Amino acid sequence: QVQLVESGGGVVQPGRSLRLSCAASGFTFNRYSLHWVRQAPGRGLEWMALISYAGNNEYYADSVKGRFTISRDTSRNTLYLQMNSLRPDDTAVYYCARGLKAGVVVTAIQHWGQGTLVIVSS
Amino acid sequence: EIVMTQSPATLSVSPGERATLSCRASQSISSNLAWYQQKPGQAPRLLIYGASTRATDIPARFSGSGSGTEFTLTISSLQSEDFVVYYCQQYNDWPPWTFGQGTKVEMK
Repeated sequence: QVQLVESGGGVVQPGRSLRLSCAASGFTFNRYSLHWVRQAPGRGLEWMALISYAGNNEYYADSVKGRFTISRDTSRNTLYLQMNSLRPDDTAVYYCARGLKAGVVVTAIQHWGQGTLVIVSS
Repeated sequence: EIVMTQSPATLSVSPGERATLSCRASQSISSNLAWYQQKPGQAPRLLIYGASTRATDIPARFSGSGSGTEFTLTISSLQSEDFVVYYCQQYNDWPPWTFGQGTKVEMK
């Protein structure tokens, strides 16, 4: 079955960097677009970034553009989110997620990881 | 950016009754709309995609309708496990893929 397992969260000071990882299994990794979605404590869902199934297109929310970078390593079946210049309002649970349909970007999000908590605080 | 507006923010319903949740897009998104359910402490779960297609293993009491800018999620007979939060999301015009702010279904 499809599994997405995030890691790399923790407490980090404002202005510092953190890299999240998402280990994927149970599907053909390079056939699906992958997202990062976050949820601040007690708040709703906020889409952050997407990398296309081929890995040649990346898209970002304005709130993280220029600070966050999404990438994927097909040899390791792993998705990454490099987060730089972190701010207190980046505090959230970060979910990696997989699109419903293979080979397309325009699709709903079907599978979600369990999330990893990032706390940005001095 | 397409803004998704869900109403009401909180819906109070008795077990066994019908719940109707609304989602409005700031511009037409065709049928490129999904509904997700989120239980406390858990990741979201896809319920509906393409505005009206139930995802795998989703009970038939969940149904979606609408197109363009107005969408509805109906839960025909609320079970105890359905009293949680629901989000709509558009994937027609991106980036960003935008979510509604959520509707909490609470027990009356």
